[in-house]
Amino acid sequence: GAGVSQSPSNKVTEKGKDVELRCDPISGHTALYWYRQRLGQGLEFLIYFQGNSAPDKSGLPSDRFSAERTGESVSTLTIQRTQQEDSAVYLCASSLDLVSPSTDTQYFGPGTRLTVL
Amino acid sequence: RKEVEQDPGPFNVPEGATVAFNCTYSNSASQSFFWYRQDCRKEPKLLMSVYSSGNEDGRFTAQLNRASQYISLLIRDSKLSDSATYLCVVVNTNAGKSTFGDGTTLTVKP
Repeated sequence: GAGVSQSPSNKVTEKGKDVELRCDPISGHTALYWYRQRLGQGLEFLIYFQGNSAPDKSGLPSDRFSAERTGESVSTLTIQRTQQEDSAVYLCASSLDLVSPSTDTQYFGPGTRLTVL
Repeated sequence: RKEVEQDPGPFNVPEGATVAFNCTYSNSASQSFFWYRQDCRKEPKLLMSVYSSGNEDGRFTAQLNRASQYISLLIRDSKLSDSATYLCVVVNTNAGKSTFGDGTTLTVKP
């Protein structure tokens, strides 16, 4: 079956513009996660969804970042008024659920490489 | 102090060597543990889950020590294709929070 997909694969934008990143999780996966990975660094947890709800938004770096999920499926991560420090790869992952170690294994999409000029 | 810490390496080993990575975590409420592998400019991919009793998958062995709050990964008979960054992941299922270590870089040389 299809894995996690993300679009666009690459996005170049000018400082101050808004961008929207999309994630399509594996069908039937109720949990969805967003991460940021700057060049040469580890993964930074941003937010997760259980169904369409995001119980904890404290990982989002600033109020310029927002995320939503609809239909327990596709999710969008929106960055408003982009800054150069937002340049990174944004990775999305999904898991079957968050119930147990056997079902919370995360499967990653290929990421969106965002470059803010 | 970071929630999940790994020795960044790099580890440079010859083919056939045995290499071990450790990862420590600070949140005792953590419930799930994984090792992921990330190749250059690629997304992380699951290598193996880590169970309390320890588990083995071919040349790879993972161990969990809850009392000391660390997990380990042992790679035996390393291959050139094992060259990658290895990420340990600690999940607090109740909070839905996954914390990745910054990764340990392994280079296997002929």
